[in-house]
Amino acid sequence: DVKVTQSSRYLVKRTGEKVFLECVQDMDHENMFWYRQDPGLGLRLIYFSYDVKMKEKGDIPEGYSVSREKKERFSLILESASTNQTSMYLCASSSIGTAPDNEQFFGPGTRLTVL
Amino acid sequence: DQQVKQNSPSLSVQEGRISILNCDYTNSMFDYFLWYKKYPAEGPTFLISISSIKDKNEDGRFTVFLNKSAKHLSLHIVPSQPGDSAVYFCAASAPGANSKLTFGKGITLSVRP
Repeated sequence: DVKVTQSSRYLVKRTGEKVFLECVQDMDHENMFWYRQDPGLGLRLIYFSYDVKMKEKGDIPEGYSVSREKKERFSLILESASTNQTSMYLCASSSIGTAPDNEQFFGPGTRLTVL
Repeated sequence: DQQVKQNSPSLSVQEGRISILNCDYTNSMFDYFLWYKKYPAEGPTFLISISSIKDKNEDGRFTVFLNKSAKHLSLHIVPSQPGDSAVYFCAASAPGANSKLTFGKGITLSVRP
């Protein structure tokens, strides 16, 4: 079974702090994604990566950066956390071509609260 | 501009009856459509999908219908069960998009016992 793990289930940080969210997948997937989920807004793509050291902006990249130094790990960084970044953050991975149906596999999510 | 739309935020049905969840899209380049199910405090899980070359795909109690001319798809759950209560996301992908998915806002399904 594909497993996508996220470093924390719940996180509380203060405004202005630098926040790291880590995601690891164990299926050798090329693609990895970071989303945030907010009530009434659905899943919005922040950044994605289709290879090590490669990254592309999603729909809402402002205030975030990412790092992919190893194939299995994709990190989301909030350089200076703000209260409007309080959200559920979801990591996902997928394989190019071989996975059926373009399916993305999601981690359990990190509920981040910025005070 | 929202390319995948789930216009109804919620749906409530009686256990045993049919649940019909609707999704519309605007991008004619989309060629694959997926439905995900999400429980609170968990990540979304893949439910069922359909290619644009088909108009129906069935998996147990779940059937997805695609109407390309109307740019509309629907998920049917028959019979609905209380365990189906969750948020359902419709998603779509286009060729060459590196498996990038565009998600709708989701619909909350409540199945009453």
